Amino acid sequence: QVQLVESGGGVVQPGRSLRLSCAASGFTFSNYGVHWVRQAPGKGLEWVTIIWYDGSNKYYADSVKGRFTISRDNSKNTLYLQMNSLRAEDTAVYYCARLGGTGTTGPLDYWGQGTLVTVSS
Amino acid sequence: QSVLTQPPSVSGAPGQRVTISCTGSSSNIGAGYDVHWYQQLPGTAPKLLIYGNTNRPSGVPDRFSGSKSGTSASLAITGLQAEDEADYYCQSYDSSLSGYVFGTGTKVTVL
Repeated sequence: QVQLVESGGGVVQPGRSLRLSCAASGFTFSNYGVHWVRQAPGKGLEWVTIIWYDGSNKYYADSVKGRFTISRDNSKNTLYLQMNSLRAEDTAVYYCARLGGTGTTGPLDYWGQGTLVTVSS
Repeated sequence: QSVLTQPPSVSGAPGQRVTISCTGSSSNIGAGYDVHWYQQLPGTAPKLLIYGNTNRPSGVPDRFSGSKSGTSASLAITGLQAEDEADYYCQSYDSSLSGYVFGTGTKVTVL
């Protein structure tokens, strides 16, 4: 079965960096685009970034552009999110989610369980 | 600040029908981009509920249905059950933002 497992969350000081990982299994990872979506405590879902199946294209929300970098290693079936210059407002549960269907505007059909990032001094 | 607007909450008695609206604009829903719906039970990750405006993934009860018209979409839940208490989010693509957008979210309460 399709599984996405995030890791790497924790408590980090403002201005510091953190790298999240998302390990995929149960499907051919290299055939699918993957998103990162976050959810601040008690708030709604916010799309963060997406990377194409082959890593050829990456898109970011304005709120993280220039600070966050998405990447993937298809040989390891793993997605990454490098987060630099972290701010208090980046505090959230971060989910990775697979881009399903055909095309680039398909649904996020499978989600991981999320990893909590807390930015605090 | 989301570009897709949903009512903060809706409620209904068991067995009733409730609907959740998702209002967008000409750069997202109105531009023809598909709308997808997600259900988030308390303390869990979101789960795909409706994709491509009207389609249910395998395993989703037919009590859930989606529709789209113009710059808006709707999710209907018929025969409301206690297990349907959750947060629901619509999602689409926005060409002006060149990115993906979620609705503001709606909390469904079963009375």
